[in-house]
Amino acid sequence: IAGITQAPTSQILAAGRRMTLRCTQDMRHNAMYWYRQDLGLGLRLIHYSNTAGTTGKGEVPDGYSVSRANTDDFPLTLASAVPSQTSVYFCASSLEAGGHNEQFFGPGTRLTVL
Amino acid sequence: AQSVTQLDSQVPVFEEAPVELRCNYSSSVSVYLFWYVQYPNQGLQLLLKYLSGSTLVESINGFEAEFNKSQTSFHLRKPSVHISDTAEYFCAVSPNTGFQKLVFGTGTRLLVSP
Repeated sequence: IAGITQAPTSQILAAGRRMTLRCTQDMRHNAMYWYRQDLGLGLRLIHYSNTAGTTGKGEVPDGYSVSRANTDDFPLTLASAVPSQTSVYFCASSLEAGGHNEQFFGPGTRLTVL
Repeated sequence: AQSVTQLDSQVPVFEEAPVELRCNYSSSVSVYLFWYVQYPNQGLQLLLKYLSGSTLVESINGFEAEFNKSQTSFHLRKPSVHISDTAEYFCAVSPNTGFQKLVFGTGTRLLVSP
């Protein structure tokens, strides 16, 4: 593993189903983030974690939950998917929390909710 | 709160021509500023950043941006573009205090044609 990996690469999901997007980093970064990217809206922060064991809400947290049991993994769960959650999801990490730190992004997961 | 405006959703340009991608921000406090680039079907990568010091910052591939506090701008420029510069470019801002998060603009798609 090098950098940040995300799984799956893409997924088509029926509305109402539960889905977990996986994110793993091997850089020992303390901070991790989940964004969604939608055409014309740019990237919007869903949830973040400044360090293992802590999480926080971003700009668009409703319908999503996260956990940070260890430094490397930061899964994003959609408890009951809705069509408006169709998007491309990016996981990112930075060495430390704080706006001056460069964020490193994974390749993304393209999710379609029907 | 902070906000970022990228007025141009798409900028078409011919190869070897100069280009400027515009970015304006709004903030009541001092900020850090970033440009990220997203090549097709990839995650975002940091292109350049302004944290402090010289207001003109450069990237390794010929892009530069100048922080203009009075105009609250951080426009990205390149004197001669290549086909390989075709990508989406995101301007982002973060307050320079505390564990603040990045706020992204909506992106500008640079299309370089021969």
